Amino acid sequence: DIQMTQSPFSLSASVGDRVTITCRASQGIRNGLGWYQQKPGKAPKRLMYAASILESGVPSRFSGSGSGTEFTLTISSLQPEDFATYYCLQHNSHPYTFGQGTKLEIK
Amino acid sequence: VQLLESGGGLVQPGGSLRLSCAASGFTFADNDMSWARQAPGKGLEWVSGLAVRGGTTFYADSVRGRFTISRDNSKNTLYLHMNSLRAEDTAVYYCAKGGWLEIWGPGTLVTVSS
Repeated sequence: DIQMTQSPFSLSASVGDRVTITCRASQGIRNGLGWYQQKPGKAPKRLMYAASILESGVPSRFSGSGSGTEFTLTISSLQPEDFATYYCLQHNSHPYTFGQGTKLEIK
Repeated sequence: VQLLESGGGLVQPGGSLRLSCAASGFTFADNDMSWARQAPGKGLEWVSGLAVRGGTTFYADSVRGRFTISRDNSKNTLYLHMNSLRAEDTAVYYCAKGGWLEIWGPGTLVTVSS
């Protein structure tokens, strides 16, 4: 199975900051990666798929990049509503696997 | 698009449970579907997927042989049949539209405990 290593585990940042979250795959997954945002007590919401395709309605301050084994999610200017937990999901080959999550907190 | 899971609850170790996911707002029969779960205070875990093409099913190693995914297109409903339940299966179970989990339901809690 493909292991997804997500970093950092947690991150403190301020409104307006630029932040980057990384996911590394244990083997190449081409561009088969999605990013999700989850707020407490809520279901995850997909932000991006195929590594860099933004879901409809997701603000353009979110961007994704990468291919193969290393991927990044960047938020260009943090807004108050962005403080949440973020997960990557490899959807290249079964069984699909999530990263461990990154909790983004207000500094 | 709306997804609504049901069927969760308290079950003893070794027991069985069937989860349902009622879908609306899209052509259910034309879409792959998935299940994922989240143990209390933990991260997300992909559980199972069901492809439209050929009805192919996929499972996480942790549930293979114990869980079965199925669908009833006449009822726009996805199912997860769970057998031989263990304490570590305790989680909120989510159904999702698409093989790539594009839209999620609110989830249903399954608690495995004696």
